[in-house]
Amino acid sequence: GENVGLHLPTLSVQEGDNSIINCAYSNSASDYFIWYKQESGKGPQFIIDIRSNMDKRQGQRVTVLLNKTVKHLSLQIAATQPGDSAVYFCAESPPTDKLIFGTGTRLQVFP
Amino acid sequence: KAGVTQTPRYLIKTRGQQVTLSCSPISGHRSVSWYQQTPGQGLQFLFEYFSETQRNKGNFPGRFSGRQFSNSRSEMNVSTLELGDSALYLCASSLSGQNQPQHFGDGTRLSIL
Repeated sequence: GENVGLHLPTLSVQEGDNSIINCAYSNSASDYFIWYKQESGKGPQFIIDIRSNMDKRQGQRVTVLLNKTVKHLSLQIAATQPGDSAVYFCAESPPTDKLIFGTGTRLQVFP
Repeated sequence: KAGVTQTPRYLIKTRGQQVTLSCSPISGHRSVSWYQQTPGQGLQFLFEYFSETQRNKGNFPGRFSGRQFSNSRSEMNVSTLELGDSALYLCASSLSGQNQPQHFGDGTRLSIL
């Protein structure tokens, strides 16, 4: 939902490994989903999006999977690099309604 | 193409004052949305403007207001500032609405003393 706790869930991975960040969304009517990356001191940066008529979409080193049955979204990052270290947010958009951000996940990449 | 520009980047105010933040969207984008980001509450939607009209509004008190100009630039105003208004205020623009990629600026960091 819209609220996130003070302590973000953290995913720690080694450089070169694949990362999977998960997100549960709240509204079964949502038909548009986005992943954002936010680095310290910057605004969220668009990574990839997917509409509800798809269950998978690939970008450069990233893949988003959508499971509407269980209202679950995931972001897969291949060959994770130190520059991928950031907080990642998923967001859902019900038709004609506001964008709702989920709980952020901090990704830490170790050399 | 220039990205979303927010000014100022940092602002310090005292309780009771009012503040105006500015956002210039990406050229050609007509929808501008504002968000408040705090460590405790995450990213919360304030409002969206499209063609100079407020199209959607979040759950914030009336002290928070905004407007959009004919060139799609937008301002948000917070009156009678409270300590709890300290936050990063983010502006995002898109071609026509919430159901498509929104591109964010780097925000205005507002601190209330």
